[in-house]
Amino acid sequence: GAVVSQHPSWVICKSGTSVKIECRSLDFQATTMFWYRQFPKQSLMLMATSNEGSKATYEQGVEKDKFLINHASLTLSTLTVTSAHPEDSSFYICSARDLRLAQETQYFGPGTRLLVL
Amino acid sequence: DAKTTQPPSMDCAEGRAANLPCNHSTISGNEYVYWYRQIHSQGPQYIIHGLKNNETNEMASLIITEDRKSSTLILPHATLRDTAVYYCIVRVANAGNMLTFGGGTRLMVKP
Repeated sequence: GAVVSQHPSWVICKSGTSVKIECRSLDFQATTMFWYRQFPKQSLMLMATSNEGSKATYEQGVEKDKFLINHASLTLSTLTVTSAHPEDSSFYICSARDLRLAQETQYFGPGTRLLVL
Repeated sequence: DAKTTQPPSMDCAEGRAANLPCNHSTISGNEYVYWYRQIHSQGPQYIIHGLKNNETNEMASLIITEDRKSSTLILPHATLRDTAVYYCIVRVANAGNMLTFGGGTRLMVKP
């Protein structure tokens, strides 16, 4: 299957700082990437849809000014958590659409664990 | 996307087949059944998907009933590394939309 990477795999930061998470599709181009968030013992919740060359679409309740998404190329999307607070501590996961197959399939990155102190 | 129902948890003995059921009684004709799994502290991993025919790959087999209202994911020889949460997702392929994750089934493979 296709490979999606995320960097960093984990990050610890102080409250009030900003953190950038990168999501890369390594062996395919992805016009659309998705950002999910997962709290302990819960399922994945979609935060936003990232489209290459256009503004991201955010789910209801997700602050677009706090979670900045940039999808500047067909293989890279970034999520910046601005002015992070302890309640933003979570597991952030991206996925990318692989259109090479007859039926589109989404592949996920390994996730980034964020801890805000 | 159609709603799916899965048992919250299942146990399986190592080396035996793991059969994970999924109900999707409201599935529409153009919706595919996708299976993903999430091993602890990792991103979800694609396993298999199908429309109406049974499918098999190197990881698993997918059996879809003739009326398409339910399906079963089969791991033929479960290993301890197959312990994970398994998600059954029904969606229209090529629609460009996100995957909606339910609660999934927590499969525990025991020695």
